[in-house]
Amino acid sequence: QQPVQSPQAVILREGEDAVINCSSSKALYSVHWYRQKHGEAPVFLMILLKGGEQKGHDKISASFNEKKQQSSLYLTASQLSYSGTYFCGTLVTGANSKLTFGKGITLSVRP
Amino acid sequence: DTGVSQDPRHKITKRGQNVTFRCDPISEHNRLYWYRQTLGQGPEFLTYFQNEAQLEKSRLLSDRFSAERPKGSFSTLEIQRTEQGDSAMYLCASSSRPTGRETQYFGPGTRLLVL
Repeated sequence: QQPVQSPQAVILREGEDAVINCSSSKALYSVHWYRQKHGEAPVFLMILLKGGEQKGHDKISASFNEKKQQSSLYLTASQLSYSGTYFCGTLVTGANSKLTFGKGITLSVRP
Repeated sequence: DTGVSQDPRHKITKRGQNVTFRCDPISEHNRLYWYRQTLGQGPEFLTYFQNEAQLEKSRLLSDRFSAERPKGSFSTLEIQRTEQGDSAMYLCASSSRPTGRETQYFGPGTRLLVL
């Protein structure tokens, strides 16, 4: 089942902070965050694993609440380059490498 | 550049024609994935290979779709008798380990338009 992302869209001024969320109704093994710019491939940002391990971008932080099956991505001091669509991909426990992606959140950073 | 590459980047075809796309994964990656992405949606899983073995296929992958990875390196995705509903971005991704502990790295995609 597709994870739910919120909010649907975010508009920021440069330097502002944002939080975007991803929640699943199923038990998750890991959550993967990507950013996609128009016409380009999704670019890996962060992976959060069950048990607390994180790997990824050093300027972006994220959390994974295993009890609630929710993840949040924290974008601080946003830059113009942060604009794009953010997707979370979830790996359900036992799903054998199949990522299920949410619909994405469009984030626009303005000068 | 040693990232995932896909060819062609764009394809326009007429309804009923067959099309084939190619994906070259990152060289040391033994896992390869195909996804389809339509406007306003996230990537949807189509199929997955570990080396040359196709381990999983989505219900989205109708009988008109076939994917191969004959030598465990590059992969091809063929769509036979294309329909307008097949218009989408077809993304390929690869990884070196099971996705649980390692993420998937995406290629630039092939954008298909069926007229």
